[in-house]
Amino acid sequence: GAVVSQHPSRVICKSGTSVKIECRSLDFQATTMFWYRQFPKQSLMLMATSNEGSKATYEQGVEKDKFLINHASLTLSTLTVTSAHPEDSSFYICSARIPGQGVIDTQYFGPGTRLTVL
Amino acid sequence: QKEVEQDPGPLSVPEGAIVSLNCTYSNSAFQYFMWYRQYSRKGPELLMYTYSSGNKEDGRFTAQVDKSSKYISLFIRDSQPSDSATYLCAMSETGGGADGLTFGKGTHLIIQP
Repeated sequence: GAVVSQHPSRVICKSGTSVKIECRSLDFQATTMFWYRQFPKQSLMLMATSNEGSKATYEQGVEKDKFLINHASLTLSTLTVTSAHPEDSSFYICSARIPGQGVIDTQYFGPGTRLTVL
Repeated sequence: QKEVEQDPGPLSVPEGAIVSLNCTYSNSAFQYFMWYRQYSRKGPELLMYTYSSGNKEDGRFTAQVDKSSKYISLFIRDSQPSDSATYLCAMSETGGGADGLTFGKGTHLIIQP
């Protein structure tokens, strides 16, 4: 089956620093990847859609200058949280889309990255 | 009003029981409906998906969609302790994956041995 990895799985950083999270599709090419954020006991909230070779599309209320997304290749998308603050502490999950499988294009999720900003 | 409503639980049932998980939604443009299972501190795993109204069965799992009522359900038969997890419903307007998914909060399910 399709495998999506994320690195790191867990990161703790000081307030004001920047953190980069990688999302890789290991055995397939993903033209589209999605970034979600999940606060404790809350739903996954879509942050942005990342398309290979073009600018990411951000959801309303998500600061594009704070959450930088780069989709440099068909297997790698990165999310950089710039000048992180404690309120950015959350579980960040990416998903990668496989086109053309049956009725819908399935999204496969990575294992998530737990970010804690002190 | 939130787009997708899902009771967070926890829902605790004895092993072997039939489990019913539900979501309601407000956006009538949703056509694709999915159920994901998420274990603690892990990414969601796709269980089932359905298009428009109707039923779909896969082993012990049955998904139902009633678009007229904007109501979807997931039934788990012969529940096992290993089924204990958070179950998230998710929806999208397009099946092409061009848009991201809209998730419910998830229902925390506990199957008691």
